[in-house]
Amino acid sequence: GQNIDQPTEMTATEGAIVQINCTYQTSGFNGLFWYQQHAGEAPTFLSYNVLDGLEEKGRFSSFLSRSKGYSYLLLKELQMKDSASYLCAVMDSNYQLIWGAGTKLIIKP
Amino acid sequence: ETGVTQTPRHLVMGMTNKKSLKCEQHLGHNAMYWYKQSAKKPLELMFVYSLEERVENNSVPSRFSPECPNSSHLFLHLHTLQPEDSALYLCASSQSPNGQYNEQFFGPGTRLTVL
Repeated sequence: GQNIDQPTEMTATEGAIVQINCTYQTSGFNGLFWYQQHAGEAPTFLSYNVLDGLEEKGRFSSFLSRSKGYSYLLLKELQMKDSASYLCAVMDSNYQLIWGAGTKLIIKP
Repeated sequence: ETGVTQTPRHLVMGMTNKKSLKCEQHLGHNAMYWYKQSAKKPLELMFVYSLEERVENNSVPSRFSPECPNSSHLFLHLHTLQPEDSALYLCASSQSPNGQYNEQFFGPGTRLTVL
């Protein structure tokens, strides 16, 4: 079966760095997405990785290792507004998105 | 604002009621999706439409009935729902249902409670 694993919840301190991991087992691979979802709001796109390596976008970076079935989202200089759920999703060989359950990130002052 | 709107934002209904959820996208996309989001569970894809044709139906119970009259509008008709159907229902759109880079844009969702 297809499976996406990510931690249920993480806590970090304002101004610090946090890394949210995602491991996957899917039938085929056509890219990995990270989305951010604030409580009661729509998920919004953060990043897309299809090749191995690190993609940096401001305070957020996303890393992919296809051979290990592994990705992480790195958030730097954390702000209170970064408190949200972070969803990892993999596009399989049929171009369907397989979603993780999301990681709830709590930022403390 | 993501360019995808959903109404209503909240809905409470009894098990014998009939209601409809509405989604509209203003992005010129060709594909639209319905997802179910339950607490601490992955997003569940329910239906996919491409150019108003249904291309995916992930074994969703018949008490959920989608309708896509044109590429900008998507409905989800609900009847005789069960309490376990209570969840956040998200609509999304993308340029196409296929293609390697296929970012989906989500609406804010309808929070459904079935009593």
